[in-house]
Amino acid sequence: DAGVIQSPRHEVTEMGQEVTLRCKPISGHDYLFWYRQTMMRGLELLIYFNNNVPIDDSGMPEDRFSAKMPNASFSTLKIQPSEPRDSAVYFCASSFTGHGGELFFGEGSRLTVL
Amino acid sequence: KNEVEQSPQNLTAQEGEFITINCSYSVGISALHWLQQHPGGGIVSLFMLSSGKKKHGRLIATINIQEKHSSLHITASHPRDSAVYICAVIIGTASKLTFGTGTRLQVTL
Repeated sequence: DAGVIQSPRHEVTEMGQEVTLRCKPISGHDYLFWYRQTMMRGLELLIYFNNNVPIDDSGMPEDRFSAKMPNASFSTLKIQPSEPRDSAVYFCASSFTGHGGELFFGEGSRLTVL
Repeated sequence: KNEVEQSPQNLTAQEGEFITINCSYSVGISALHWLQQHPGGGIVSLFMLSSGKKKHGRLIATINIQEKHSSLHITASHPRDSAVYICAVIIGTASKLTFGTGTRLQVTL
């Protein structure tokens, strides 16, 4: 298995633009997580899905952020409109058993909003 | 005060040294993760434990639930162990992970 695949690896955009980050989890994993990492706040959970259903989105910072999982092999995290404070590395992870089991992380998407 | 505290924040060691990284938390947890983040940014899960001790190669993780404390030990450290080590806890029965701020380890020759 190729592991968790994220794209793009790097994105530079201007304030106000829409940003879409993509994630392909490991096949067979029922849980998918989106995290954000910044120097100031470290790693934070944004949202997670179980069997494609969003379970907890309380970490999503505001309405500009949205996440979908239309099927078991694909998820998106969208920011519209983007702001400079959204600049961070966004990680996707998947697992068989949620946070109670081993987590497999993607390489991350580094977002810079100018 | 953060719910998860790690110490030290930064650690420099010489190759071969025994290393200990500590994680303390202030709330009841159901499990704890140790993660490793390499300089390139990728994150790898090292251990998930809820009691006792786990060992994998030169890495050992222990947890004392009563004392709300976990340690990650690296025996015979090597420059390739240089990374940020992050402790994360599952608080109570919640499904969320709460992360520590990480310990940056540099192992020199």
